[in-house]
Amino acid sequence: KAGVTQTPRYLIKTRGQQVTLSCSPISGHRSVSWYQQTPGQGLQFLFEYFSETQRNKGNFPGRFSGRQFSNSRSEMNVSTLELGDSALYLCASSLEVQGGTNEKLFFGSGTQLSVL
Amino acid sequence: AQSVAQPEDQVNVAEGNPLTVKCTYSVSGNPYLFWYVQYPNRGLQFLLKYITGDNLVKGSYGFEAEFNKSQTSFHLKKPSALVSDSALYFCAVRDSPGNTGKLIFGQGTTLQVKP
Repeated sequence: KAGVTQTPRYLIKTRGQQVTLSCSPISGHRSVSWYQQTPGQGLQFLFEYFSETQRNKGNFPGRFSGRQFSNSRSEMNVSTLELGDSALYLCASSLEVQGGTNEKLFFGSGTQLSVL
Repeated sequence: AQSVAQPEDQVNVAEGNPLTVKCTYSVSGNPYLFWYVQYPNRGLQFLLKYITGDNLVKGSYGFEAEFNKSQTSFHLKKPSALVSDSALYFCAVRDSPGNTGKLIFGQGTTLQVKP
C-alpha cells in the first residue's frame, strides 16, 4: 500500500507569489491534516479535512487555505508569500473507523518551501 | 488548552545503554498521547500511543513509554539504544477526542546515540 505522497518535494518562490502543495493520502483514508514545521516554532497544525469539509483550523492567517477533493486528495495554498512562510509542510492522513477517535497519523515526507 | 513539553533539546547516550526521552503533558480530560520519530529529510513516523489501559505501552523498534498520571508524564524509553535510533523525537497529545487529525506537538528532542 502506497504511503502518503506529497508533491513537489522542494519549492522555491519569491515574496508575494502564491504556491499550491498537493497531498495524496493512503488509500481509504478520509482524514487529511496539514502541519507546518520550522526550527523556531516546531510543528504547528494548519488544518484538517474530512470528507471534503474542513473540520479544524489552526491559528494561521487567511493566506493559508486548503481543500479536499472527493478522492480525499488535498491541496493547500499559500497566497502572498512571506519570508516567514519558509518551512517544511507536512501532510498526514488517518483512517477513521466508526466510534474510533484515536487513530494514528501517517505522514508524508513533506514539501520544503523556501521563500526568497 | 492541551499542551506537551519536552524539557530536553538533546539527549546523548552510548550505544547499548538505556535511553529515556522525557515528555510532560497538560490536558483537560483524558489524555491521548503519542510519540513520533523523524529521520532527516523525512516525515514523522508513529512509534506508539497511549489511550487507556496499561501504563506501559510498547511500540515500534523496541521503544516503550510509561504513562504516569500523577506526574503527568509520558516518557519514551528503550532498554538498549542503537546508533540507528539517532533522530528527532516528538511527543504529542490529541487536541480532543473528535479531532483525529489535530495533534499538539512538543518542541522535539534530538536523540544522539554514539557508538
